[in-house]
Amino acid sequence: KAGVTQTPRYLIKTRGQQVTLSCSPISGHRSVSWYQQTPGQGLQFLFEYFSETQRNKGNFPGRFSGRQFSNSRSEMNVSTLELGDSALYLCASKRYTSQTEAFFGQGTRLTVV
Amino acid sequence: KQEVTQIPAALSVPEGENLVLNCSFTDSAIYNLQWFRQDPGKGLTSLLLIQSSQREQTSGRLNASLDKSSGRSTLYIAASQPGDSATYLCAVIIGTASKLTFGTGTRLQVTL
Repeated sequence: KAGVTQTPRYLIKTRGQQVTLSCSPISGHRSVSWYQQTPGQGLQFLFEYFSETQRNKGNFPGRFSGRQFSNSRSEMNVSTLELGDSALYLCASKRYTSQTEAFFGQGTRLTVV
Repeated sequence: KQEVTQIPAALSVPEGENLVLNCSFTDSAIYNLQWFRQDPGKGLTSLLLIQSSQREQTSGRLNASLDKSSGRSTLYIAASQPGDSATYLCAVIIGTASKLTFGTGTRLQVTL
């Protein structure tokens, strides 16, 4: 059974550019959440999508957005990149609700220069 | 606001030792608690999920307990091995929201 797949694994972007990250959840899972991990702030919740609808959103600026497709794959977009956006972005897959176990992908390492 | 604390921040033990990692949370109205391990530069690997109605869960050499009334969870690792070296994170879910609130992690090193 395939796990959570995130692409690309590594990205280097310049300040001001935009970037799109992709996450394919485990087959049959309908919930996809995104997290940002930095040495200073730890793991912070960005947003969650379930059945193509955003269910929850963390405390991040509007430059961070996402969407989910009918096959449950999700994309996260960051516009007007800042140096502080450099982080490991992790995607979590869950079958349904908050009671179920979360499975994470390997992450996308974004470096903004 | 839910706060999750993990103590100690770092731990070094010799191979074969049993050890306990601690996780404290401020809001006892949690839905469930999940333990993860993270190897450097990698994603999170789920270790154990404890539902709010459960007191403990076991998987191999790992045992996790949950005491909601005191706001604490422990992860017990038996007969530690060098391959257990990683950062261990606990995370809680409150109410029906699916958001995980993470602790700051305990970096474990098991030496030969």
